[in-house]
Amino acid sequence: AQKVTQAQTEISVVEKEDVTLDCVYETRDTTYYLFWYKQPPSGELVFLIRRNSFDEQNEISGRYSWNFQKSTSSFNFTITASQVVDSAVYFCALSEARSSNTGKLIFGQGTTLQVKP
Amino acid sequence: DSGVTQTPKHLITATGQRVTLRCSPRSGDLSVYWYQQSLDQGLQFLIQYYNGEERAKGNILERFSAQQFPDLHSELNLSSLELGDSALYFCASSDVWASSYNEQFFGPGTRLTVL
Repeated sequence: AQKVTQAQTEISVVEKEDVTLDCVYETRDTTYYLFWYKQPPSGELVFLIRRNSFDEQNEISGRYSWNFQKSTSSFNFTITASQVVDSAVYFCALSEARSSNTGKLIFGQGTTLQVKP
Repeated sequence: DSGVTQTPKHLITATGQRVTLRCSPRSGDLSVYWYQQSLDQGLQFLIQYYNGEERAKGNILERFSAQQFPDLHSELNLSSLELGDSALYFCASSDVWASSYNEQFFGPGTRLTVL
């Protein structure tokens, strides 16, 4: 069964703190893709990153970094030196290459991040 | 701006009514996805069309239907509306139909309120 779990419903930090958002996924496919999306208060969904199941290299983009570990089925997202503008709901999503063969995204429940000044 | 447009932005209607949500994909994208975001169910995949044909169905109610037209725009029809249908409905598009690697570009969403 395919499933994405974001156990942290809400996280509150003070500006400049580092914060990690957890994502655990379940899939029977050996080929799959993982995504992170950001939903700011304005409501739109903003694509942040895509990772395929064969690439376990961690990625860094500015203050954002992602840690993909197949052994624990996790794809965690870290924001370094958080800023108020990072306040948003963050979604982790899974797309299975074989069993669904459509590219549909399976989303986690989302983590609401509040960064206080 | 993702290039995906959705109209209307907001929609308020009454129970039992029918509404149509419209989506125009990015130029050149043949695949359209519909998602529903509600407080209790989260973000859920509803249905996908590729070049006018239905490609996949998710948790879409029988009261809901969709289609994709020759100009590639898509409409999501919601009928016999219930209070629980109040949600944010997103349309997303991509340029492929089956590759899971594709990035889906999301529209701004249509917020439906059923009173």
